[in-house]
Amino acid sequence: GENVEQHPSTLSVQEGDSAVIKCTYSDSASNYFPWYKQELGKRPQLIIDIRSNVGEKKDQRIAVTLNKTAKHFSLHITETQPEDSAVYFCAARNQAGTALIFGKGTTLSVSS
Amino acid sequence: EAEVAQSPRYKITEKSQAVAFWCDPISGHATLYWYRQILGQGPELLVQFQDESVVDDSQLPKDRFSAERLKGVDSTLKIQPAELGDSAMYLCASSSAQGLGEAFFGQGTRLTVV
Repeated sequence: GENVEQHPSTLSVQEGDSAVIKCTYSDSASNYFPWYKQELGKRPQLIIDIRSNVGEKKDQRIAVTLNKTAKHFSLHITETQPEDSAVYFCAARNQAGTALIFGKGTTLSVSS
Repeated sequence: EAEVAQSPRYKITEKSQAVAFWCDPISGHATLYWYRQILGQGPELLVQFQDESVVDDSQLPKDRFSAERLKGVDSTLKIQPAELGDSAMYLCASSSAQGLGEAFFGQGTRLTVV
C-alpha cells in the first residue's frame, strides 16, 4: 500500500522567512496530494492540494510543487507569520475512491 | 458553512469498558472515513464507507472495533473492550464525488482510557 514520509518533523523560522516541508510517496499511481493544517485542538483543514497532472500550484503565500518522477512533493510558505504556526500534514491518495494516507506531520513554529 | 459533526468531543473511559463515537457527515457526502490520530502523529485510516458499504477496513482492529453506517448517512464507531493503547483522537471525515474531492474533517473525539 501507499506510504508517505514527511520531513522535517519540526521546523522553526523567524517571521518573514520561508518554510519548506517535503514529502515522498511510494505508490507511483498516486494522483492527489493535499496539505492540511492543524492548529492545536482543532480539526485538520485543507490549505492547498495538487493533482498529478500539474507540477506546481500557488495560493497567495502558499505553493505546492510535485515531482512525479522522484515521487515527492513539497509545501512552500513564504513571508511566514506567527499565525502560520501549526502542524502541517501532507497526504496522498493512490486511486479514485481510496482514502488519504497521511505523513506524520511537521510542527512549524514562527517566532516574531 | 456545512461541517462534519462529531460527538462527544471528549470521552474518558476505564479499560475494558465499551465506548462509542458518532459522526454526521456533510449533507450529500457519500464517502465517510474514520481516522485515529495518536498525539504527535498523522491520522491513520481505520475504516472507509461509500454510502452504507465498507470500502476499506483493513486497518480496523476487528477483534475490538466495529463501525457501521446503516442508512448511508451518519456513522458510529465502537470499541469494546477499550484498552489503554486506544487513547487517541478519533477523527471522522467526509468527501463527495466518490472520494475524489477534498476530505472535510470533524472536530474529533478525544478518547482517554484509564
